[in-house]
Amino acid sequence: SQQGEEDPQALSIQEGENATMNCSYKTSINNLQWYRQNSGRGLVHLILIRSNEREKHSGRLRVTLDTSKKSSSLLITASRAADTASYFCATFNQAGTALIFGKGTTLSVSS
Amino acid sequence: ETGVTQTPRHLVMGMTNKKSLKCEQHLGHNAMYWYKQSAKKPLELMFVYSLEERVENNSVPSRFSPECPNSSHLFLHLHTLQPEDSALYLCASSQDPEGDEKLFFGSGTQLSVL
Repeated sequence: SQQGEEDPQALSIQEGENATMNCSYKTSINNLQWYRQNSGRGLVHLILIRSNEREKHSGRLRVTLDTSKKSSSLLITASRAADTASYFCATFNQAGTALIFGKGTTLSVSS
Repeated sequence: ETGVTQTPRHLVMGMTNKKSLKCEQHLGHNAMYWYKQSAKKPLELMFVYSLEERVENNSVPSRFSPECPNSSHLFLHLHTLQPEDSALYLCASSQDPEGDEKLFFGSGTQLSVL
């Protein structure tokens, strides 16, 4: 069953602009992960934020987590055409045996 | 290169065919996964193997049969599939199926069932 749900479903921006994607989830978590997928390829892990963390940075990526609202956001600053991809949040299922992914946000960055 | 290799990259099969998807990881991980990605749907978890033992079977139809002969290899045997089974099949691995583990994905097999 789906745990995370991303918003918006699609986002189009110009190079240099910032892109913000949101994720809501349903149950309590130990951590939340963000992944990126180029069209027709496998997913690549971007960043993991633990439940006791509120914000985490990695290069041009900034992730926030609000466990009281059961939500997370991914911010990509100074976007580039190469950032064009789908972005997914993921949390563990209740059994703790596997990651469950949302439907993703498709980001398109035009030059 | 993620260290997880899937073959073939593309597969076209008829509904009466039998085929197998192969996944190999070179990362020394203990857990392997099959996910299905259909158009406009979330990734669907199919199977989870930990130390070659199946620990999760997410109500997958019996026409999909997984096999994990060792911790580095994972197969998905396909038999009498339906057109709605056409999708991108993704294999992934992680050090451990539980805890704060990130997944490493292969590039997937794009399957078309005619």
